[in-house]
Amino acid sequence: RKEVEQDPGPFNVPEGATVAFNCTYSNSASQSFFWYRQDCRKEPKLLMSVYSSGNEDGRFTAQLNRASQYISLLIRDSKLSDSATYLCVVPTNFGNEKLTFGTGTRLTIIP
Amino acid sequence: DGGITQSPKYLFRKEGQNVTLSCEQNLNHDAMYWYRQDPGQGLRLIYYSQIVNDFQKGDIAEGYSVSREKKESFPLTVTSAQKNPTAFYLCASSMGRGDPYFFGQGTRLTVV
Repeated sequence: RKEVEQDPGPFNVPEGATVAFNCTYSNSASQSFFWYRQDCRKEPKLLMSVYSSGNEDGRFTAQLNRASQYISLLIRDSKLSDSATYLCVVPTNFGNEKLTFGTGTRLTIIP
Repeated sequence: DGGITQSPKYLFRKEGQNVTLSCEQNLNHDAMYWYRQDPGQGLRLIYYSQIVNDFQKGDIAEGYSVSREKKESFPLTVTSAQKNPTAFYLCASSMGRGDPYFFGQGTRLTVV
């Protein structure tokens, strides 16, 4: 299994809909997980941190399933401004010395 | 405001020339990282440093060099040995192991 694996998409979703992405990881010792958002030609920005079973922030919910080694990101009531690439990020190794970034899932919200 | 600053935003260089990209942070973070991103691709780790005066190679270190003489600064030199240097370069910092990274705005390097 790859260290981090994401469906590249693209996901084309109508405005107002709910969309979910999954991300699988290989390091079973990982303790912290992150979702980043990257707009075209910009730097990645931290969206959410996930340290236990999940986290919720407004329209965004991240869930962690340790048994199956995946994390998910759910976006409710999607807005045009949610169009971006979403990166799943997990610690690389047992010492959590560095993070590995997934290649990203591209989301486009359609008016 | 605290943050991480990369300069310049755009850089053009002739083939065969070395070029140094600047990265400065005032977040008091111990760890700093350099990534490269090519169009439509993911982030690839070039070098990282967990502490001053120490750094490690990432996945694609060949043709690059770094220094970490100060906690705030982690400059990256793209040498003439790097075969395909044109890319978007991102610097990041974090408090330490397992903590999220915060990125600078990036430097877009074009070698002609």
